[in-house]
Parts: sequence; structure tokens; C-alpha cells
Amino acid sequence: QVHLVQSGAEVKMPGASVRVSCKASGFTFTNFDFNWVRQAPGQGLEWMGRMHPENGDTVYAQRFQGRVTMTRNTSTSTAYMELRSLRSEDTAVYFCARVCSSVTCWGGLDLWGQGTTVAVSS
Amino acid sequence: QSVLIQPPSASGTPGQRVTISCSGSSSNIRRNTVNWYQQIPGTAPKLLIYNSHRRLSGVPDRFSASKSDTSASLAISGLQSDDESDFYCAAWDDSLNSYVFGTGTKVTVL
Repeated sequence: QVHLVQSGAEVKMPGASVRVSCKASGFTFTNFDFNWVRQAPGQGLEWMGRMHPENGDTVYAQRFQGRVTMTRNTSTSTAYMELRSLRSEDTAVYFCARVCSSVTCWGGLDLWGQGTTVAVSS
Repeated sequence: QSVLIQPPSASGTPGQRVTISCSGSSSNIRRNTVNWYQQIPGTAPKLLIYNSHRRLSGVPDRFSASKSDTSASLAISGLQSDDESDFYCAAWDDSLNSYVFGTGTKVTVL
């Protein structure tokens, strides 16, 4: 079975950094792009960026440029998202999601992790 | 803040048809395909529609979608109680070089 399993909840102080992991199983990790999407409490979905695991290429949403880094470890089929200089507004559930590369779902985010809650509070 | 605008809510009685609109612009919906996601609060979103109108395998044909110029829409016919959830449209935006989500629509079954 195909899965994306994310790391556990985090509580961080303002100004700190957080790294969330997303481990893929059941499919070839390097064949798919991975997106990161977050959702603040009671709010909608917000795209943060994407990464291509084969070469590490990334595209970040403008509002996160300079504050986010998306990386991967191909040997463990794990994607990572690090967000720095955390502020209270970064309190959210963070999701990783795979970009479909087959004609049956082309371009959609067809597989999602369970989400990781990050709380930023002093 | 989002560039794709959806009505905040939609509702209907069981069996009715509900339509959700998604208003975008020339840099996103006109140029690129639209995806639709369903999210039950507290869980991860699920892809329903890709390529603007194609249902993901396993999605009931009660769900249909279309796109015209800078707008897209999702229709749910034969509304059922377990359709109560949030729905989001999404598309790539060439000007922002970003994947953008709609503002989200909460569907309530009365």
C-alpha cells in the first residue's frame, strides 16, 4: 500500500525553527514531486512549495521565500520541510502531498500525509 | 488573500443538487487545469477531480466539474449526508509561479 507518514506534533517558541518529515512507502519516491500545504486553525489550505526528489529542485511560494527549505533523503524516501523564524501565525497543520504523474490523476495531489500539527507559542 | 474565490458555504437537502463556483483569472484557471479536493475537518484533503473535469477513480459520478474561461465549478447531485465537508478548488498560477487553492466552501446537508 502507498503511504505518506509524517512526523509527530511539535510545539515551538517564536523565533525557533521546525522540521517536519514525510516518509514515503509503497512507490518510487524519486518519480514524484512533493508539495507542502498548511492549514491554520479554522482556515483554508495554503500551498507552501514543492520539491522534486530526483534532483532536489524546489519552488517556494513567494510568501515563504527565505524562510522555508524543502529537502529530501532519497535513501530513506523521506521529504523534509523546515520553516524558520516561527511566529504565532505559523501555527497550523502541515501536510505533505504527492503530485500525481499518471494520466489517471495528472497534476492533482493524489496522496497526502496525515498532517503534522505545529504550534508556535511563548 | 487567495486568488481563487469560492462561496464560503453551500447547502441542500438530501437528493438535491449543489453547485460550487471557483472564480480565478487569466493567470490560473484560464491557462491551467483545475483540481478539486474534499476535506472532512480534521483529516487530510482528498483529490476528487483533476484536469478540470475528470473524476478520480472511485469518485461517484454524482460529482461533476467543468471549467469555462476564468471560472470553474463543481456540482454534487443526489446530495448525501456524508457529502458534508469542505471543498477546495486549486490550480497552478503562472504569474505567482505557485499552486493556489480556493478559499474553500463548506457544504451542509440540511
